[in-house]
Amino acid sequence: DAGVTQSPTHLIKTRGQQVTLRCSPKSGHDTVSWYQQALGQGPQFIFQYYEEEERQRGNFPDRFSGHQFPNYSSELNVNALLLGDSALYLCASSLASGGYRYGYTFGSGTRLTVV
Amino acid sequence: AQKITQTQPGMFVQEKEAVTLDCTYDTSDPSYGLFWYKQPSSGEMIFLIYQGSYDQQNATEGRYSLNFQKARKSANLVISASQLGDSAMYFCAMRERGGQNFVFGPGTRLSVLP
Repeated sequence: DAGVTQSPTHLIKTRGQQVTLRCSPKSGHDTVSWYQQALGQGPQFIFQYYEEEERQRGNFPDRFSGHQFPNYSSELNVNALLLGDSALYLCASSLASGGYRYGYTFGSGTRLTVV
Repeated sequence: AQKITQTQPGMFVQEKEAVTLDCTYDTSDPSYGLFWYKQPSSGEMIFLIYQGSYDQQNATEGRYSLNFQKARKSANLVISASQLGDSAMYFCAMRERGGQNFVFGPGTRLSVLP
């Protein structure tokens, strides 16, 4: 049973460029959440997608956008990259009907470096 | 607003000994869940243990147990019989009943010494 798959694993981009990160959720999961983890910090919530719509959003600018496809996979797009966007981006999947008592299944993340 | 505090940036423990990682939290929601995750150098967040705000007993999962003191708003993780493979970052996280996302603490880096 495949867990959460993220691609690419590493990425180097230049300031001002745009980037797309991809996530395939665990089999049976229908909800995808994205987190940004800066070096030495805990993950920060970016947004969550369910039924192809953004369900909730954290305190991130509009440069961060996302999409969920009918097969539940998801993309995270970041425009006009800043040096401060360098981080590990984690995707997590869950089942919407699971409720708040259930944890997420996380992927191994995409490490983005902006130079 | 939700907040998680982990006051131990780094901890050392001798192999086969027990260690306690501290976590305090703040929330105004009476219904919430507390979670601990382990993050090895590979980056993946691995779920360890869960405690619900209304659970009467402290949660246990194998070598992991959660010392839940609701009045003090603390949810400390206890790892018994530490192993070298336990060396990793450990994050305490909270999820409120009405919320969709987790709030994570800053983490504690645990190093197990042979």
